[in-house]
Amino acid sequence: QQKVQQSPESLTVSEGAMASLNCTFSDGTSNNFRWYRQHSAKGLEVLVSIFSDGEKEEGRFTAHLNRANLHVSLHIREPQPSDSAVYLCAVSMNYGNEKITFGAGTKLTIKP
Amino acid sequence: DMKVTQMPRYLIKRMGENVLLECGQDMSHETMYWYRQDPGLGLQLIYISYDVDSNSEGDIPKGYRVSRKKREHFSLILDSAKTNQTSVYFCASSWDRGQDTQYFGPGTRLLVL
Repeated sequence: QQKVQQSPESLTVSEGAMASLNCTFSDGTSNNFRWYRQHSAKGLEVLVSIFSDGEKEEGRFTAHLNRANLHVSLHIREPQPSDSAVYLCAVSMNYGNEKITFGAGTKLTIKP
Repeated sequence: DMKVTQMPRYLIKRMGENVLLECGQDMSHETMYWYRQDPGLGLQLIYISYDVDSNSEGDIPKGYRVSRKKREHFSLILDSAKTNQTSVYFCASSWDRGQDTQYFGPGTRLLVL
């Protein structure tokens, strides 16, 4: 069964500094990776999806995938206080949305 | 503006009472989902619906049932709620069951006393 672990559990970063979040997964055949942002008392907002090794950029959000190392990361450039939220990593395989495994999340706080 | 709505947003029930959580989407998405989110755990899939009256169990269906009579509405029912069903419940929708992006509602926070 797929295991998805996120680190760190919480992270505080100063406004404008790069924020980096990590996600490791257990099944190397996974091929669909998404990062979501969850503001308190709100639903999940997809930030970036990546399907092959390398880098994918969506605005200030960049995902890096290395399937050999079972690792996907999210980097947030020039974070702002409004980026303070919980960030969730979601991993699935060719089965699609029926077999998504979510990580427990990283709580990110951006200090002004 | 694509939107998934959930009602109610907050709910307190006593153990043994029935609970109805409602979800709506305005995108004509075929596939809809119910998840629960507990502290320290990721979202867990309860049920998935591929279209009207076409529902399938997810990873943790025990204690829940669902109803989808219109494409835009998907309900989660707890018959005789239990205290361990206290959680935040999220509904989501997507164009199909494939790898298409899921759109999530704001969640319903349920407390079962």
